[in-house]
Amino acid sequence: AQTVTQSQPEMSVQEAETVTLSCTYDTSESNYYLFWYKQPPSRQMILVIRQEAYKQQNATENRFSVNFQKAAKSFSLKISDSQLGDTAMYFCAFMNAGGTSYGKLTFGQGTILTVHP
Amino acid sequence: DAGVIQSPRHEVTEMGQEVTLRCKPISGHDYLFWYRQTMMRGLELLIYFNNNVPIDDSGMPEDRFSAKMPNASFSTLKIQPSEPRDSAVYFCASSLEIATDTQYFGPGTRLTVL
Repeated sequence: AQTVTQSQPEMSVQEAETVTLSCTYDTSESNYYLFWYKQPPSRQMILVIRQEAYKQQNATENRFSVNFQKAAKSFSLKISDSQLGDTAMYFCAFMNAGGTSYGKLTFGQGTILTVHP
Repeated sequence: DAGVIQSPRHEVTEMGQEVTLRCKPISGHDYLFWYRQTMMRGLELLIYFNNNVPIDDSGMPEDRFSAKMPNASFSTLKIQPSEPRDSAVYFCASSLEIATDTQYFGPGTRLTVL
């Protein structure tokens, strides 16, 4: 079974600074997808970024980028130029691209990020 | 696009009552997922459908829980009878193609069972 671990229960950052959220996962599969979702106080789950395991290039979406280290099974999220609206719970998630867990999202425990003015 | 729509947004009920949660997926999406979020267990997949057919219900906690998808634009998650430990936020999500597309979540239903 796949597991996703977020070792930072809480993080804080000053507005306009950069912060990195950590995520590690455990799988025996070679083909899979990784995601970061954001859950603000409204509790809506919002996709931040996704990464295909077969792609070596790290995904980037505006101020959000990932550092995907497949051998180390690490998938960290970097938020540049942090904004007050980035305050939220961030979830790392894993999805198998085959096998019995095909299509199932496995989530980490979440990291609460607070951006201070 | 209106996104995934869930109703009600909040539900408070008494133990033993039947609860029905509703979901309308994004038009054209073939896959629909039901998740539950609690402090203790985090986010967990309960069941998912492909073209209205249940594919995997291994996450459904027990027989008190049932889910249906009578057509491509509507799904229900029913709890009968409800118990206080069912209190959680229930999310519905949909995706176009299960592994190559992203799951888009609805706003969730916060269920409180007294």
